[in-house]
Amino acid sequence: ETGVTQSPTHLIKTRGQQVTLRCSSQSGHNTVSWYQQALGQGPQFIFQYYREEENGRGNFPPRFSGLQFPNYSSELNVNALELDDSALYLCASSKTGDGEKLFFGSGTQLSVL
Amino acid sequence: DQQVKQNSPSLSVQEGRISILNCDYTNSMFDYFLWYKKYPAEGPTFLISISSIKDKNEDGRFTVFLNKSAKHLSLHIVPSQPGDSAVYFCAAQRSTSGTYKYIFGTGTRLKVLA
Repeated sequence: ETGVTQSPTHLIKTRGQQVTLRCSSQSGHNTVSWYQQALGQGPQFIFQYYREEENGRGNFPPRFSGLQFPNYSSELNVNALELDDSALYLCASSKTGDGEKLFFGSGTQLSVL
Repeated sequence: DQQVKQNSPSLSVQEGRISILNCDYTNSMFDYFLWYKKYPAEGPTFLISISSIKDKNEDGRFTVFLNKSAKHLSLHIVPSQPGDSAVYFCAAQRSTSGTYKYIFGTGTRLKVLA
């Protein structure tokens, strides 16, 4: 069984740029969520995708957007990067009807200079 | 507004003894809770969960207790092992929300001393 994989592992961008982060869900999982973890904080919910549509969003501005593909892989896009976007971005997959557990990838560490 | 709080940023325990990690929440609508363990440079790993219809759930060395009236849960690790040294997060959600929007605490760093 393949776990959740994320790419890239590390990324450095400058303020104002755009970034795309990628995630492959665990085999058999149909829901993907994205979380942002700032230094010293717990993960914060960005949004969730199910059946290729966003069906839940946290307190993040519209410049954070996403996609889910038919194979349940996902992208997180962030436009107009700000210094405060520097964080670890975690993707989590889950399977509806199979409990409420999230399975996380190792994350992408984004640094905005 | 921190809806899930882990008030102890760190905890040191001797190997073989019990580790108790605490978590408080403020939203009475939360009805499902998870504990995760996180090592550096890795994503959080699921440990154990509990639904609000229970007050205890066990899985090997890990037991989670839920006190709904106090809005408090705790994770007990017995016996503690050096490999348990990690950051532990509790997370809570309202399962009827239709999403996996979990609210996480800020974590407790556990150090198990050999």
